[in-house]
Amino acid sequence: DAGVTQSPTHLIKTRGQQVTLRCSPKSGHDTVSWYQQALGQGPQFIFQYYEEEERQRGNFPDRFSGHQFPNYSSELNVNALLLGDSALYLCASSLALASSYNEQFFGPGTRLTVL
Amino acid sequence: GNSVTQMEGPVTLSEEAFLTINCTYTATGYPSLFWYVQYPGEGLQLLLKATKADDKGSNKGFEATYRKETTSFHLEKGSVQVSDSAVYFCALIPMFSGGYNKLIFGAGTRLAVHP
Repeated sequence: DAGVTQSPTHLIKTRGQQVTLRCSPKSGHDTVSWYQQALGQGPQFIFQYYEEEERQRGNFPDRFSGHQFPNYSSELNVNALLLGDSALYLCASSLALASSYNEQFFGPGTRLTVL
Repeated sequence: GNSVTQMEGPVTLSEEAFLTINCTYTATGYPSLFWYVQYPGEGLQLLLKATKADDKGSNKGFEATYRKETTSFHLEKGSVQVSDSAVYFCALIPMFSGGYNKLIFGAGTRLAVHP
């Protein structure tokens, strides 16, 4: 079991550019969540995808968008990059069971640097 | 709103010392509580959890007890090892999250254990 994988590992962009980050969930998982972790801070929830739809969103502008594919993999897109978007972007997968808590498994993250 | 407050780091200990990392939360009702660990260059790993008051989560020698009366979930370990050096995050999922399991993290506490 490969666990949650993310690509690329590192990325350098300039202000105003657009970026796409990718995530493959753990085998058998159908839900993907994205988090932003700025340096020295805890992860902040961006949004969550289930059945190819965004079903919950954190306090992030519309420049942040995503997509989930039929195989449950997901992309995070950020447009018009700002210096403040520099962070570690974490993907987490889980299984949408009926229980109130479903453990999330995290990938190693993509380190985005905006110059 | 919902939030998590952790003691600031870094926490520096000698091997075999006793560890306490304080965590308090603000949330309505009875959230689920978690400790995650992040080793250098890796993603977050779930260390332990507690989903109702007075529950004790434990794993790999670490323990934390869900204290509703003090809204706390302090992490403890009786004898730390060099391999425990990492960043520790306290987190919660709000009680009425509709099964969306959005995690709310504290800022993290860096632990450095020296031989």
